Amino acid sequence: EPEVTQTPSHQVTQMGQEVILRCVPISNHLYFYWYRQILGQKVEFLVSFYNNEISEKSEIFDDQFSVERPDGSNFTLKIRSTKLEDSAMYFCASSLDRQSYEQYFGPGTRLTVT
Amino acid sequence: AQSVTQPDIHITVSEGASLELRCNYSYGATPYLFWYVQSPGQGLQLLLKYFSGDTLVQGIKGFEAEFKRSQSSFNLRKPSVHWSDAAEYFCAVAPSGGSYIPTFGRGTSLIVHP
Repeated sequence: EPEVTQTPSHQVTQMGQEVILRCVPISNHLYFYWYRQILGQKVEFLVSFYNNEISEKSEIFDDQFSVERPDGSNFTLKIRSTKLEDSAMYFCASSLDRQSYEQYFGPGTRLTVT
Repeated sequence: AQSVTQPDIHITVSEGASLELRCNYSYGATPYLFWYVQSPGQGLQLLLKYFSGDTLVQGIKGFEAEFKRSQSSFNLRKPSVHWSDAAEYFCAVAPSGGSYIPTFGRGTSLIVHP
């Protein structure tokens, strides 16, 4: 069964450094998403991406965040200058359409900012 | 804006016992409702969803959920729990028109004793 993959599974970085989290969505999916979950808190939506542009973003997704689909398979989330409060689990998801709400999630990348 | 409350952070049941995980939502109209499961090391997987119609919804892995408008609830049930059901369970709500992004609850961790 096709699945969403994410790399790395765990990333440790120092405050102020840039990080890129990588995701490979399911190959025929058209919509892509990033969510995050700070330890002990809710899963929060960051951004959705369709047709090579952002279709929706939350208040969390400020100028320090960016997303890109650099080739036909990868979908990346860049955090330009990490802060301690960016420490969280970051989930990528993809879906074939939006109306069914059938989003397929990756296993997540745990980001630790020290 | 919609919100979701999962009042139980942890639930412990014995294998073979029945299970009910609670979820309450806040939304002005009839929302779309979802339950996801996250097994260790894996991404969130959609268990079931409710859009309209029959208020008792059947999902995968033997789970069901019942929408009760009067109680603003969407509780997840399973008649007989298996050890492999030990996981994190997330309830989510989305507006019935417009954004296709679900709002998640904090999650309930299910522990299954042999």
